[in-house]
Amino acid sequence: EPEVTQTPSHQVTQMGQEVILRCVPISNHLYFYWYRQILGQKVEFLVSFYNNEISEKSEIFDDQFSVERPDGSNFTLKIRSTKLEDSAMYFCASGTSFTYNEQFFGPGTRLTVL
Amino acid sequence: DAKTTQPPSMDCAEGRAANLPCNHSTISGNEYVYWYRQIHSQGPQYIIHGLKNNETNEMASLIITEDRKSSTLILPHATLRDTAVYYCIVSAGYGNKLVFGAGTILRVKS
Repeated sequence: EPEVTQTPSHQVTQMGQEVILRCVPISNHLYFYWYRQILGQKVEFLVSFYNNEISEKSEIFDDQFSVERPDGSNFTLKIRSTKLEDSAMYFCASGTSFTYNEQFFGPGTRLTVL
Repeated sequence: DAKTTQPPSMDCAEGRAANLPCNHSTISGNEYVYWYRQIHSQGPQYIIHGLKNNETNEMASLIITEDRKSSTLILPHATLRDTAVYYCIVSAGYGNKLVFGAGTILRVKS
């Protein structure tokens, strides 16, 4: 069964450093998303991406964040200058227009900012 | 903010049906009801969705009231592996963000 994959599973970085979180969505999916979950808190929407552009972003997704689909398979989230409060589990999800809003989530990348 | 209300936690005996309620009194005509679950710290997993009719798949059944202001997710024979946080979400359709609330922590006990 196809699945969303994410790398790395755990990333440790120093405050102020740039990180890139990588995702490989399901191959025939057209919609791509990033969510995050700070430990013990709700899953929060960050950004959605369709047709090679951002379709919606949350207040969390400020200028420090960017997304890219550099080729036909990868979908990346970049945080330019990490802050302590960026420590969270980051989930990538993908969906297809041929179903409803059934989003398939990856296993997540745990980002720890020291 | 999430547009749904769920009880914070529920317990269920293994092998029994788990009935998880959700209120969504402000649901719009074009919004579906979706249920996802999150086991420990894994990525959320889609369970089922519906518009106004009751739905059933291999995982669960979804009962939506006629006025669409509430729904119930039914896990017919809960197992220990069904212990998770269950999220009820209303969403207009594909491409839209999912707004997660706190969900219901379901504990299945032997």
